[in-house]
Amino acid sequence: AQSVAQPEDQVNVAEGNPLTVKCTYSVSGNPYLFWYVQYPNRGLQFLLKYITGDNLVKGSYGFEAEFNKSQTSFHLKKPSALVSDSALYFCAVRDHDYGQNFVFGPGTRLSVLP
Amino acid sequence: SQTIHQWPATLVQPVGSPLSLECTVEGTSNPNLYWYRQAAGRGLQLLFYSVGIGQISSEVPQNLSASRPQDRQFILSSKKLLLSDSGFYLCASGLAENEQFFGPGTRLTVL
Repeated sequence: AQSVAQPEDQVNVAEGNPLTVKCTYSVSGNPYLFWYVQYPNRGLQFLLKYITGDNLVKGSYGFEAEFNKSQTSFHLKKPSALVSDSALYFCAVRDHDYGQNFVFGPGTRLSVLP
Repeated sequence: SQTIHQWPATLVQPVGSPLSLECTVEGTSNPNLYWYRQAAGRGLQLLFYSVGIGQISSEVPQNLSASRPQDRQFILSSKKLLLSDSGFYLCASGLAENEQFFGPGTRLTVL
């Protein structure tokens, strides 16, 4: 069975500092991995994905994530945080070999302080 | 790219009343469609998914049902709402290894 863990409920970072939002996953086959962002009372917006190839994936709004197969992780990063990055972030996984469904993590609330 | 429409945006319903939430998709054909519920601004719970017209899979036993009468239309229904049905309902569309596209959501409050 697929599962996703986001070990931090809340991450606080000062504006201009680098940020990391952590994600680890478990799948039986090969993973497809995704990051989404959600602003209050809105749907989820896609940020980036790892399907295959280069382990470092670059996405929207300056975000990037690194796929680490040995650690089964897909941490989201940004070199310099903005106040406008404050939102709820979700990691998701889909097993390439089994099933049609995505499994989402519980979410991490990012607060960027001015 | 795909666009997902959901309506209504907000809904307040009494306990025991029926429910119908609609989702339509533009910009793709034969997508996989999903209904999620999000409680208290946190994790997503997959309720139903559909790989084609008339094909519905339920992930969680509950008093909700889903239907897909057309390729790009997905409907979430209930005959009698419970207080516990309150939440933020999200429709999503996706294919294979591609990302899912989400609608703007419907906030349902059951009183």
